[in-house]
Amino acid sequence: AQSVTQLDSQVPVFEEAPVELRCNYSSSVSVYLFWYVQYPNQGLQLLLKYLSGSTLVKGINGFEAEFNKSQTSFHLRKPSVHISDTAEYFCAVNTGGFKTIFGAGTRLFVKA
Amino acid sequence: EAGVAQSPRYKIIEKRQSVAFWCNPISGHATLYWYQQILGQGPKLLIQFQNNGVVDDSQLPKDRFSAERLKGVDSTLKIQPAKLEDSAVYLCASSLRTSGAPDTQYFGPGTRLTVL
Repeated sequence: AQSVTQLDSQVPVFEEAPVELRCNYSSSVSVYLFWYVQYPNQGLQLLLKYLSGSTLVKGINGFEAEFNKSQTSFHLRKPSVHISDTAEYFCAVNTGGFKTIFGAGTRLFVKA
Repeated sequence: EAGVAQSPRYKIIEKRQSVAFWCNPISGHATLYWYQQILGQGPKLLIQFQNNGVVDDSQLPKDRFSAERLKGVDSTLKIQPAKLEDSAVYLCASSLRTSGAPDTQYFGPGTRLTVL
């Protein structure tokens, strides 16, 4: 069965610093991978997704993620964060079936 | 383009009472999802519809939860009777395609349910 582990429940970082949010998945078959962001009092919205092709995926708001099949990881990165990036970030995996499995989330807190 | 609409936004009920949530997906989206998001956890799929048929309800507690999607558009999720552990945010999402690679899911703002 597939599963998703987000290794950090909270990540505090200063404004303009780089950040990496870690995500590992478990699956015996090919996967499709997603990062969603949830701003306070809002629904989730897609940041980026990996379906096939280049393993480096660029998303909205300057975020990018790299699919590493050998390490079964899909870490999210941003070279310089803003206060407005404060939110909860969810990694998700789908193996081509109906169900997308979400991780528990990582709360990014950007400090001035 | 209008997003996914949900109502109500907040609901407080006593345990053993009933409650219903409503979702209007993005126009033309064939697939509709209901998720339960307990505080501190990621969304957990309760039920997934493709048009007006159920494709996955394996994690829906069918003794108390029910959902329908009439005419393949709007959907309602009902809990009867509610338990304390049902306190959560209930998210509705929709996506366009029904086949091929998984499609982007568009989420509504959610309904925050508190069971006292």
